Amino acid sequence: ELKVEQNPLFLSMQEGKNYTIYCNYSTTSDRLYWYRQDPGKSLESLFVLLSNGAVKQEGRLMASLDTKARLSTLHITAAVHDLSATYFCAVESMKTSYDKVIFGPGTSLSVIP
Amino acid sequence: EAQVTQNPRYLITVTGKKLTVTCSQNMNHEYMSWYRQDPGLGLRQIYYSMNVEVTDKGDVPEGYKVSRKEKRNFPLILESPSPNQTSLYFCASSLKGITRVGYTFGSGTRLTVV
Repeated sequence: ELKVEQNPLFLSMQEGKNYTIYCNYSTTSDRLYWYRQDPGKSLESLFVLLSNGAVKQEGRLMASLDTKARLSTLHITAAVHDLSATYFCAVESMKTSYDKVIFGPGTSLSVIP
Repeated sequence: EAQVTQNPRYLITVTGKKLTVTCSQNMNHEYMSWYRQDPGLGLRQIYYSMNVEVTDKGDVPEGYKVSRKEKRNFPLILESPSPNQTSLYFCASSLKGITRVGYTFGSGTRLTVV
């Protein structure tokens, strides 16, 4: 069974600091997604990572994928308040179930002045 | 504008009264899915559909029904809602299989069953 874990689940960080959110999954993955959810809002797609060693960057966020370690990271550089949100990773594995995407529990990020 | 439209946004109902949450997408996506989001549990898949007339159970299908008579619409039906179905529901759509680059989510429906 495909399981997805994230840590930390809650993160409070100061503006200007760097931090990394980790996403571990239990079986081989065909692709991995990162989503952002603002309080009371829907989910917005941030990144899709398709292969081992893939790295994507958008502004202060950078996501990477290590399929051998079954690990993805979302690195936050010089955090600003606007990055406060919940971040989800989601894993798709066609080996376990075609078209099935499993979400992690989410990391609630709060950036404080 | 490419979007997934869910209705209603908020719904309060009583136990046992049948309800339908509608979902429509205008991107010609083959794949559509329903998720529920509960605190501490993340998003859990209820049902998904890979194309018209093709639906399958997700991880938490009990108490829900779906149909896919048209490509653009994927309604979620609660025949006899119970309080444990109080949740935030999201409809999502995407391209299918290896062409998928992520879901487009609807705005969500906050359902309260009393």
